[in-house]
Amino acid sequence: DAKTTQPPSMDCAEGRAANLPCNHSTISGNEYVYWYRQIHSQGPQYIIHGLKNNETNEMASLIITEDRKSSTLILPHATLRDTAVYYCIVPSFDGGSQGNLIFGKGTKLSVKP
Amino acid sequence: GAVVSQHPSWVICKSGTSVKIECRSLDFQATTMFWYRQFPKQSLMLMATSNEGSKATYEQGVEKDKFLINHASLTLSTLTVTSAHPEDSSFYICSASREVGNNEQFFGPGTRLTVL
Repeated sequence: DAKTTQPPSMDCAEGRAANLPCNHSTISGNEYVYWYRQIHSQGPQYIIHGLKNNETNEMASLIITEDRKSSTLILPHATLRDTAVYYCIVPSFDGGSQGNLIFGKGTKLSVKP
Repeated sequence: GAVVSQHPSWVICKSGTSVKIECRSLDFQATTMFWYRQFPKQSLMLMATSNEGSKATYEQGVEKDKFLINHASLTLSTLTVTSAHPEDSSFYICSASREVGNNEQFFGPGTRLTVL
């Protein structure tokens, strides 16, 4: 399974864009990149996922490099409620059709006023 | 849409008793449900994966006789912590996926278990 590497923590000013990087250099051609976040004492929340093209939804944008070895999650206008731990995950498959989400340590994003 | 609930949200029990946690997908049918455990200041650890009507698949190191999982319907899975001990105190979180092959999982709010 492809491992991911993220910085342990980042700060962002309220109203500015938060850019969260993730390295996944061992990703294979058909593996997706998923992003989740976990606000303190809550269950994780799905944000976005992508394969090779950049993706955007109401929460965030996902930029994947052409070689797919890294990606960046962008929160365009961070708010205090975006303070959370952000997880970049490349689901592992055990031969079945459903991949397991293996949560690493993620990036703790602190949005400051 | 895609809301997952858990009950109870927190529970305190005595050592040696059993505790049941329910996980429900409220507005969709879940093809697969997952159970995670999270200790303080640590990340989520997958405990088991279950499909409706079949036995759960447990991750290495998770005792299946201690953590009983029943997936009775496409909207309900239960986790029973049997003979709970203080070291079982943790945040238990379930999730559900609604499409085979799609790793978009919808998580419940979690259940905080404290064993005295």
